[in-house]
Parts: sequence; C-alpha cells; structure tokens
Amino acid sequence: NAGVTQTPKFQVLKTGQSMTLQCAQDMNHEYMSWYRQDPGMGLRLIHYSVGAGITDQGEVPNGYNVSRSTTEDFPLRLLSAAPSQTSVYFCASSSAGQGFSPLHFGNGTRLTVT
Amino acid sequence: EDQVTQSPEALRLQEGESSSLNCSYTVSGLRGLFWYRQDPGKGPEFLFTLYSAGEEKEKERLKATLTKKESFLHITAPKPEDSATYLCAAPYNFNKFYFGSGTKLNVKP
Repeated sequence: NAGVTQTPKFQVLKTGQSMTLQCAQDMNHEYMSWYRQDPGMGLRLIHYSVGAGITDQGEVPNGYNVSRSTTEDFPLRLLSAAPSQTSVYFCASSSAGQGFSPLHFGNGTRLTVT
Repeated sequence: EDQVTQSPEALRLQEGESSSLNCSYTVSGLRGLFWYRQDPGKGPEFLFTLYSAGEEKEKERLKATLTKKESFLHITAPKPEDSATYLCAAPYNFNKFYFGSGTKLNVKP
C-alpha cells in the first residue's frame, strides 16, 4: 500500500523558473492538501481540495497554483520560483468521514531556489 | 488569534528518563487535538487524536492527555528509537490544521 507518493524528493531551481510538484494517493481520500515546512515554524497550509474539481486557498497561497482533475492526483505548481519558496513541501490526504480525520502525509519534496 | 504552541523546542533525555512534551492551543471551538511523529527526511506520521478534556490515549511508551488549554505527550522510559520530532495540530476546518513547530526529542543510550 503506497499511501501518498510525492515526486521529486529533491529539486533545485533558479529564481524565475517554474515547476510542478507531483502528489498521488491510492487511498481514495476525498481531501488533499499541500503544506510547507520551514525551520522553527509549524507546517503551513498552501492549498487544499475537498474533491475532484474543487480547490481553495490556505494560509500561504501566493506564488502557487493547484488543480484536481482526479481523486488520486493533486499537483502543486510554482509559477515563478523565488528564494522565499525554499522549503520542504508535504502533500497530505484524509478521508471525509464524520469528524476530523488524521492527515496521511507523503515523504516530502525538498526545494531549493537559488 | 488561533495558534498552536509547543515546548520545549528540543529535549535531550537519557534512555529510561521519563518526561513530557507540551502543546498549548488557542483555537476556538476545538474539534480535536492531533499528535504526529516525524522522523528525519520523512512526512509526519499520525499517533493520536484527543477530542475532549480529560481524555487519554496510550501507545507503547507514549501517553497523550488533554485539558481545556493544552495537551501533554508523556514519554515513559524512552528508548533511542523514540528519537524524532513530535508535532501537535488542531483542526479549524475539515482538512485544515494549525500545526505547532514541534519538539525535537533525542534519546541517548
């Protein structure tokens, strides 16, 4: 059971370049989200989706774009990379269910923008 | 302002030396308090959910408790394999969470 799979594991970009971070889950979860993790700060929500075709912004959405065409996939696009986007990015999924379900995380993408 | 704060930032213990990690929260209308474990280079892994003050959950050497303002993660007789960063999180919508910055635990043999 793969769970949540993120690619690539590492990426180096130059300022102004664009790229897409991939995320796929095989648990048939309705909810998917992207967080970034920076030293000394908690995980911060970038964008989230409650189902295919539905996305919304989180706390820190600027400079990022998402789409959700299928239940399984939720890619995160960096439109024009900036050094402030150097971070570790985590994709997570959770089931709708009753109440609040725990998040299932991928193993992250470490992004460096020079 | 809704927030989740963890202390200490780092904790070094000898093997067998019990201690507690703290998570305080000011999220209005708390709908659960979640604990995760994160190993280096990995994503957070779910440990516990607590829903109401007075609730306790246990898993091996870990016990999580909840009051109206904070949660504690008690570690009894820790082993080196318990070394990790422990995160707490409070939901403010169905899959939207406020996370604390974590406590990095190092258990020395």
